[in-house]
Amino acid sequence: GAVVSQHPSWVICKSGTSVKIECRSLDFQATTMFWYRQFPKKSLMLMATSNEGSKATYEQGVEKDKFLINHASLTLSTLTVTSAHPEDSSFYICSARDAMQETQYFGPGTRLLVL
Amino acid sequence: GDSVTQMEGPVTLSEEAFLTINCTYTATGYPSLFWYVQYPGEGLQLLLKATKADDKGSNKGFEATYRKETTSFHLEKGSVQVSDSAVYFCALSDLSGYQKVTFGTGTKLQVIP
Repeated sequence: GAVVSQHPSWVICKSGTSVKIECRSLDFQATTMFWYRQFPKKSLMLMATSNEGSKATYEQGVEKDKFLINHASLTLSTLTVTSAHPEDSSFYICSARDAMQETQYFGPGTRLLVL
Repeated sequence: GDSVTQMEGPVTLSEEAFLTINCTYTATGYPSLFWYVQYPGEGLQLLLKATKADDKGSNKGFEATYRKETTSFHLEKGSVQVSDSAVYFCALSDLSGYQKVTFGTGTKLQVIP
């Protein structure tokens, strides 16, 4: 099946720094990518939807200036957590929608720990 | 808005037992329905899907049938294995251009030998 990768798989950073997470579709073109956040023992919360070449659409309650999303190509989207704080510690998962299919493929996730 | 409700876990079963995880949904229109599985420390994997009423999705011995009349998509497996221990998420996808996915809260399954 289709493969979506995320990098890094885990990151530890100091409070106040910015962290960039990459999401790549490896064997298909993804016009739409999604970013989710998963809290411990909870479901996934959609943060934003990004379309290649346009601004991301953020869900209610998600700060767009804090979680910067860039979808620069059909195979790459990035999420930057700016001025990270301990409450931003979470598991971030991206997904990519194959333009030819109706299925989203999920990345393996990135675990962020802000000290 | 769209929502997915699934039974709370954790569910603990002995190996070779029958599994049912209930899932019901509310949505406008006719969404696609999915079951995703998340193994410990890993991301989500698509387990099976159904795109229209009465469709049955199946994979690795798991099955789920899209029941429009009861708005349900229950997950079943006849004989579970220890390796099936994971968290299972029921989800639906709207048919808008963005195909946003709405997830249930997840059900943790633990299979003991």
